[in-house]
Amino acid sequence: AQRVTQPEKLLSVFKGAPVELKCNYSYSGSPELFWYVQYSRQRLQLLLRHISRESIKGFTADLNKGETSFHLKKPFAQEEDSAMYYCALQGGTSYGKLTFGQGTILTVHP
Amino acid sequence: NAGVMQNPRHLVRRRGQEARLRCSPVKGHSHVYWYRQLPEEGLKFMVYLQKENIIDESGMPKERFSAEFPKEGPSILRIQQVVRGDSAAYFCASSSGGGHSGNTIYFGEGSWLTVV
Repeated sequence: AQRVTQPEKLLSVFKGAPVELKCNYSYSGSPELFWYVQYSRQRLQLLLRHISRESIKGFTADLNKGETSFHLKKPFAQEEDSAMYYCALQGGTSYGKLTFGQGTILTVHP
Repeated sequence: NAGVMQNPRHLVRRRGQEARLRCSPVKGHSHVYWYRQLPEEGLKFMVYLQKENIIDESGMPKERFSAEFPKEGPSILRIQQVVRGDSAAYFCASSSGGGHSGNTIYFGEGSWLTVV
């Protein structure tokens, strides 16, 4: 069974502070991991995927298979980063069937 | 590219009525997915469709829910005889391929169903 856990429902930081949104997963095979962001009732947008190993808007995430984690990090948070962040897993060949975590609401204070 | 378009954005239905949610995928996309987000929960997969075919409906409730993606027109998620527990945000997503690496899944803005 696939499971994604985001232990923090709410996360608050001040502008310029580092931020880390935690994501742990459970999957027996080789998963594909994603981070999606949703700004204030807008559509979910793909932020990054582990397979491309890129940095978007200053965010990075490294897949740690040993700890089954895919934490999202940014060294200096900006106010415009305030949003809901979802970690998602796609297992094996299960096409677009994503398993989402419950989401973390990030608030960046000025 | 207008992206995934969902309508209505907000829908209020009385218990026992029917709700129809429409989804127009990104132009050229033939793969559509529906997800449901209950209050205080994450998004949960409901169904995956390609044109005129249901590929995976493992996340669909067994009764009252149905989905279609006809050859022409939008995908429709239909909920018959709605109950209060159906109140949720319903997200549609689409991709050009089957969601494998390289095929990004694009989401719509969601349709919020409220059952009173």
